[in-house]
Amino acid sequence: DQQVKQNSPSLSVQEGRISILNCDYTNSMFDYFLWYKKYPAEGPTFLISISSIKDKNEDGRFTVFLNKSAKHLSLHIVPSQPGDSAVYFCAASAGDTASKLTFGTGTRLQVTL
Amino acid sequence: GAGVSQSPSNKVTEKGKDVELRCDPISGHTALYWYRQSLGQGLEFLIYFQGNSAPDKSGLPSDRFSAERTGGSVSTLTIQRTQQEDSAVYLCASSLWTGEQPQHFGDGTRLSIL
Repeated sequence: DQQVKQNSPSLSVQEGRISILNCDYTNSMFDYFLWYKKYPAEGPTFLISISSIKDKNEDGRFTVFLNKSAKHLSLHIVPSQPGDSAVYFCAASAGDTASKLTFGTGTRLQVTL
Repeated sequence: GAGVSQSPSNKVTEKGKDVELRCDPISGHTALYWYRQSLGQGLEFLIYFQGNSAPDKSGLPSDRFSAERTGGSVSTLTIQRTQQEDSAVYLCASSLWTGEQPQHFGDGTRLSIL
């Protein structure tokens, strides 16, 4: 039972344009959501998070939107840069603690010149 | 080093053998996490430590898996009588406390069971 789903395994975007990565979840107990970025042969690195009490969180070029009624979140990267090319994982936890995260299967973003 | 360090980076072993995977967390971090990523899958939670104790072992797939942490620092994940389905990348992360998300994972141990 995949409780966190990233239905797009890959995405290609031109440099300078917006990248939108999507994530859906099924567990209504999830109340804290995170995005991680992973380069090949490296471990994931935390990127941005959002609590369920918010519907938007912004950090520089990265913005995460949360739609609780739809159980959907998205990561927007504006403008996209070649260094953003990586695999992006969506993750969620319950109880407002990040001690146990449930991850999606990831979306590979390719930013082209 | 400043980051989470894992060893070995790669491990190939025969089915039925025992393996030990090591994780050195960031100095001063009290929380330590083990996850694994099987081919084509997301990261799967295994266990986390708060200090030397493991409040949540619910992610360990079977009793062949065990983990310990000593001195509030290094952790070892042991898999006994390995099976082919144990093949995965095993990732470790740490954070100052369990309420904080892991900032950085180690580069992982790629375990291959022949």
